[in-house]
Amino acid sequence: EPEVTQTPSHQVTQMGQEVILRCVPISNHLYFYWYRQILGQKVEFLVSFYNNEISEKSEIFDDQFSVERPDGSNFTLKIRSTKLEDSAMYFCASTEIAGINEQFFGPGTRLTVL
Amino acid sequence: QQQVKQSPQSLIVQKGGISIINCAYENTAFDYFPWYQQFPGKGPALLIAIRPDVSEKKEGRFTISFNKSAKQFSLHIMDSQPGDSATYFCAASTRLGTSYDKVIFGPGTSLSVIP
Repeated sequence: EPEVTQTPSHQVTQMGQEVILRCVPISNHLYFYWYRQILGQKVEFLVSFYNNEISEKSEIFDDQFSVERPDGSNFTLKIRSTKLEDSAMYFCASTEIAGINEQFFGPGTRLTVL
Repeated sequence: QQQVKQSPQSLIVQKGGISIINCAYENTAFDYFPWYQQFPGKGPALLIAIRPDVSEKKEGRFTISFNKSAKQFSLHIMDSQPGDSATYFCAASTRLGTSYDKVIFGPGTSLSVIP
């Protein structure tokens, strides 16, 4: 069964450093999303991406965040200068353009900012 | 108005019992209501979903009841099993073109099913 994959599973970084979280969406999906979940809290939408551009972003997704689809398979989330409060699980999700239209979530990357 | 409310925050049910989780929303533009199941250290996995043109959807032991006029929906897990112990999120979404917009998650319910 096709699935969304994410790397790394756990990333530890120092405050102020840049991190790139990587996702490989399901191959025939065209809509991509990033969500985050601070420990013990609900899953929050960050950004949606379609046709090589951001279609919507939340207030969390400030200038420190960026997304990119550098090739035909990867979808990345970059945080330019990490803060302590960026520590969270980051989930990538994807949706196919037709059919059930449910979002499939990856297993997440746990980001720890020290 | 983008919020989805969910209760209870935690739930303990005996094996074989019925687990009931309730959710409510305000935004009438929502037209897709999925439930996600999350095990520790894993991403949310779609469990069952409903659209507002039906009042109930059943898949195995899982049933969604939907009350459009009250803007409420609930998940019933029949014959609850220890393997059902997880965090359950209700959610809502709107259609964007031929796909769906961002998913708005409720705060989650931690379910423990005890033997």
